[in-house]
Amino acid sequence: EAQVTQNPRYLITVTGKKLTVTCSQNMNHEYMSWYRQDPGLGLRQIYYSMNVEVTDKGDVPEGYKVSRKEKRNFPLILESPSPNQTSLYFCASSLYGSSGANVLTFGAGSRLTVL
Amino acid sequence: AQTVTQSQPEMSVQEAETVTLSCTYDTSESDYYLFWYKQPPSRQMILVIRQEAYKQQNATENRFSVNFQKAAKSFSLKISDSQLGDAAMYFCAYRSVTDSNYQLIWGAGTKLIIKP
Repeated sequence: EAQVTQNPRYLITVTGKKLTVTCSQNMNHEYMSWYRQDPGLGLRQIYYSMNVEVTDKGDVPEGYKVSRKEKRNFPLILESPSPNQTSLYFCASSLYGSSGANVLTFGAGSRLTVL
Repeated sequence: AQTVTQSQPEMSVQEAETVTLSCTYDTSESDYYLFWYKQPPSRQMILVIRQEAYKQQNATENRFSVNFQKAAKSFSLKISDSQLGDAAMYFCAYRSVTDSNYQLIWGAGTKLIIKP
């Protein structure tokens, strides 16, 4: 089944304790992206990647890191989490190119709470 | 910068009735894509319908249709014959054709309640 898999789905952690949210897709998509969802704000892009070893900042990158060493994986790293990073996180992927409105496939979301 | 506005934080409709969710956007571009996503309590983001701005014909997917008014920058979603399974948050989103980051710009969402 074609899908984007995120782990963990739920996580409660404490301020300053490094954590990684993994994201993996099995569709050979070039493009991958991370969003955070907060009430009243919709989703906002954190980072994106157009292919292996190519990453760039979205609208809200502060406090996050990413890497794209393999095509299928795009982990989100919080080096020193803070309470304002408490949010619902989504990983998404799509084909990349000029073939029209390439539709994003979303993971199931990861609910992160930072105490 | 582009913005997307959903002015209805919450809507309710009787089962089997029709409801329309509003979305307006601001852009200086002439070509772009518009989307409606559904987020049920499971939190999964599900694409409902999409519209390409250069197409004048309104998109339709079964009970879901849009009213795309390009000049007014309006993109409303109509749900016909509402079902209990339609209860969810609905998000309107915009994507530029020219931006290489493929970023979706999202509205704040509308919570749809279906009354049995």
